[in-house]
Amino acid sequence: TQLLEQSPQFLSIQEGENLTVYCNSSSVFSSLQWYRQEPGEGPVLLVTVVTGGEVKKLKRLTFQFGDARKDSSLHITAAQPGDTGLYLCAATGANNLFFGTGTRLTVIP
Amino acid sequence: NAGVTQTPKFRVLKTGQSMTLLCAQDMNHEYMYWYRQDPGMGLRLIHYSVGEGTTAKGEVPDGYNVSRLKKQNFLLGLESAAPSQTSVYFCASSYTRGTDTQYFGPGTRLTVL
Repeated sequence: TQLLEQSPQFLSIQEGENLTVYCNSSSVFSSLQWYRQEPGEGPVLLVTVVTGGEVKKLKRLTFQFGDARKDSSLHITAAQPGDTGLYLCAATGANNLFFGTGTRLTVIP
Repeated sequence: NAGVTQTPKFRVLKTGQSMTLLCAQDMNHEYMYWYRQDPGMGLRLIHYSVGEGTTAKGEVPDGYNVSRLKKQNFLLGLESAAPSQTSVYFCASSYTRGTDTQYFGPGTRLTVL
C-alpha cells in the first residue's frame, strides 16, 4: 500500500513549458520533502515543507504544502533540459521517510 | 568529503548465493538506511539504524539482514538471494531523524538469475 501517490507517473514536455506534478495522500504528515534523482545516481533533496499552506521557491521551482498537510505540488516554470529526472516526494515518519512512486520528467530541447 | 559511498556498483548473483553490500559515510551521521528501488514502486525502506550497534526493520525487511558495528558503516546482507531481490539498492544517512536531509549513495544494481 502506497501512502503517497504521485501524478503524473510520466511527463514529457518541450523546453520552455510550465508543468505541475502532484503528491497526494489520505494521511496527514508533519512535513514533506521533494527529491530529484538523475539516472544512475541517488536522490538529492530539493526542499522540505513543514507548515500547512507553505510555499517555497527554488529558482524556477515552486513547492506548496497543502493546507491540511495531506498533499503537495511542485511547479516548474520554463522547464530546461537540466530539469530532466525522477521527482520523488517523501513524507517524514518517526524515524524514516515514506517515498512516493515518483514522476519521471523529460524535458525535450 | 566523499559523502555516502556504496560497494559494489553492480553485481550478478545466482539464486541461492549470498552477498553483502557495504555502505560507508564520512559525515558522522547517526542514522543510516537501506532502500530498494523498483520500477513503479518508488523507494522502499528495508532496514535502518538509529546509531552504532542498533538496527530496525523497515517496510520490506524479509530476506535481508543488516549490521552497524561501526558508526560510519552499514552492511546489508542477502543470505540466499532470490530473483525477487533483483533491484537497485540505495544507502542513505542523516544526522537526525524526521525532517533532516537524507544523503544518498550512488546505488548498487543487483541482478539475481
